[in-house]
Amino acid sequence: GEDVEQSLFLSVREGDSSVINCTYTDSSSTYLYWYKQEPGAGLQLLTYIFSNMDMKQDQRLTVLLNKKDKHLSLRIADTQTGDSAIYFCADKSMIKAAGNKLTFGGGTRVLVKP
Amino acid sequence: DTAVSQTPKYLVTQMGNDKSIKCEQNLGHDTMYWYKQDSKKFLKIMFSYNNKELIINETVPNRFSPKSPDKAHLNLHINSLELGDSAVYFCASSQGAGGRNTEAFFGQGTRLTVV
Repeated sequence: GEDVEQSLFLSVREGDSSVINCTYTDSSSTYLYWYKQEPGAGLQLLTYIFSNMDMKQDQRLTVLLNKKDKHLSLRIADTQTGDSAIYFCADKSMIKAAGNKLTFGGGTRVLVKP
Repeated sequence: DTAVSQTPKYLVTQMGNDKSIKCEQNLGHDTMYWYKQDSKKFLKIMFSYNNKELIINETVPNRFSPKSPDKAHLNLHINSLELGDSAVYFCASSQGAGGRNTEAFFGQGTRLTVV
């Protein structure tokens, strides 16, 4: 089955860049997503990338996709204390024509130190 | 106006009880999901419904029974609760259609604690 892996923890100083990495196994992934989960809250979609793109930039967020290596990364520029959260990578695999399943990585806990 | 809302937010109950979690979305989406997040924060899909039809059932014990009375609602009923059912359950919805990006919107989660 599909598998998505992430490193568990990242510590970064405020103002520095954070890079969160993710690998996936599903060759039929169409879209890959980054979600953010703050303590006690639900998941908030940060950004996504279509599988035929290799980069997407959205303000402080840059997503890089290496489809050959099945590697996805999220770079957060000028990391702020409010960026402390768990970040989940997810890939979408196609289940029938009218249903989509997200497979999540285990989440990377990002701690931003002042 | 909340897009995907779940009730209750917290649920503490004894082993062996039967409980339900409700989910409603006001986004007009045709696909709804239940995900389970365990104590280690691993998120796994449990069920997916499209237009009230079950399309994904990921080897979930049959003590868990989802019910979708209409496209806007997907409830989760759990019979004979066990300690291992303690988790945060997230409802989500998306406009399901093959190929296009279909962002999933998540509810705030229901923290279930079985004692």
